[in-house]
Amino acid sequence: NAGVTQTPKFQVLKTGQSMTLQCAQDMNHEYMSWYRQDPGMGLRLIHYSVGAGITDQGEVPNGYNVSRSTTEDFPLRLLSAAPSQTSVYFCASSYSLRTLAFFGQGTRLTVV
Amino acid sequence: AQSVSQHNHHVILSEAASLELGCNYSYGGTVNLFWYVQYPGQHLQLLLKYFSGDPLVKGIKGFEAEFIKSKFSFNLRKPSVQWSDTAEYFCAVNNAGNMLTFGGGTRLMVKP
Repeated sequence: NAGVTQTPKFQVLKTGQSMTLQCAQDMNHEYMSWYRQDPGMGLRLIHYSVGAGITDQGEVPNGYNVSRSTTEDFPLRLLSAAPSQTSVYFCASSYSLRTLAFFGQGTRLTVV
Repeated sequence: AQSVSQHNHHVILSEAASLELGCNYSYGGTVNLFWYVQYPGQHLQLLLKYFSGDPLVKGIKGFEAEFIKSKFSFNLRKPSVQWSDTAEYFCAVNNAGNMLTFGGGTRLMVKP
């Protein structure tokens, strides 16, 4: 099925551990982005990419890295997990800024 | 920077009641406006969007929204809610060159 696939769905990390959240889309979309969702704060943009090899910071980029080596994949790396990064993470992709953004199912991350 | 405000954080309605959720944004230029819905345990889905033209936009499941440029608003409405409309609703905005900015969300509970 076409869409945005995120893995894993759930993850528990210890403070200081690193990990990568995977995001892949098979719709040949140029625009991909990562958001975190926290209660009462909606979704906040972490990083985004407008094409392979091009990434930029969003509203809350600290503690996260991204890269975009292919059109399909846009992984999000937590360098040294902190409890403040406990959240639900959503990846999204779209053909352009003016078209529908497709969201993945989300990754629920808990940092203890 | 653009910002989006959703003033109702929690709304509780009985079935068949009418719904109006407020959304105001801060950007003064040309904007694209969206409403997304997130059902419990699911990812975000697009309800409706406004790019240009008729300011009254109709979406899926009987939802509609009205863009009032002079008030910087894009309120979501439904004449008669159902129990299955229980979800969290997010207003989002983007303007040329920017990714989506989301409001804090409104949790709607519909009592049967």
